[in-house]
Amino acid sequence: DAGVIQSPRHEVTEMGQEVTLRCKPISGHDYLFWYRQTMMRGLELLIYFNNNVPIDDSGMPEDRFSAKMPNASFSTLKIQPSEPRDSAVYFCASSLSGRNTEAFFGQGTRLTVV
Amino acid sequence: GDSVTQMEGPVTLSEEAFLTINCTYTATGYPSLFWYVQYPGEGLQLLLKATKADDKGSNKGFEATYRKETTSFHLEKGSVQVSDSAVYFCALGQTSGSRLTFGEGTQLTVNP
Repeated sequence: DAGVIQSPRHEVTEMGQEVTLRCKPISGHDYLFWYRQTMMRGLELLIYFNNNVPIDDSGMPEDRFSAKMPNASFSTLKIQPSEPRDSAVYFCASSLSGRNTEAFFGQGTRLTVV
Repeated sequence: GDSVTQMEGPVTLSEEAFLTINCTYTATGYPSLFWYVQYPGEGLQLLLKATKADDKGSNKGFEATYRKETTSFHLEKGSVQVSDSAVYFCALGQTSGSRLTFGEGTQLTVNP
């Protein structure tokens, strides 16, 4: 398996624009996580899904953020409208349910909002 | 709720020095414990894990022992290399659901 695949790797956008980040989890994994990493706040869990259903979105910072998982092999994180403070690296990770399971991370999307 | 506390960084060492990064946790039950490593510009990668008390995880010369009595999972390496420069995250996972709880991360810089 190619691992967790995220696109794009880098995104530069203007304030107010809509941004969509994409993630393809490892085939067969039933958990998917979206994280945000910044120097100030470290690694934050935004939302996670189990079997395509959102389980906990308490980490989503504002209504401007939304995430979907229409099927087991694809998820999106959307920011609309984007703001400069949304600049960060966004990671997607997936895992298989059960004891002792680790999460596998994608390479991340570096988002810059100017 | 569950929590993980790592020693504050950054940590700067000379090549071949001994490394310890402290990690303690608070959790109910019997979680699994993990160390992840993040190299510059990359995502997090699993470095090692331990699934029950007294287990020792090891990989690439790094080791950590699951100590339930002290609720700790300290990362050690006997002789660090420049290529070990990265951010290290301690994490725990419960049996119910696969969500991991991460520590704050510790930046390690190894100088030649």
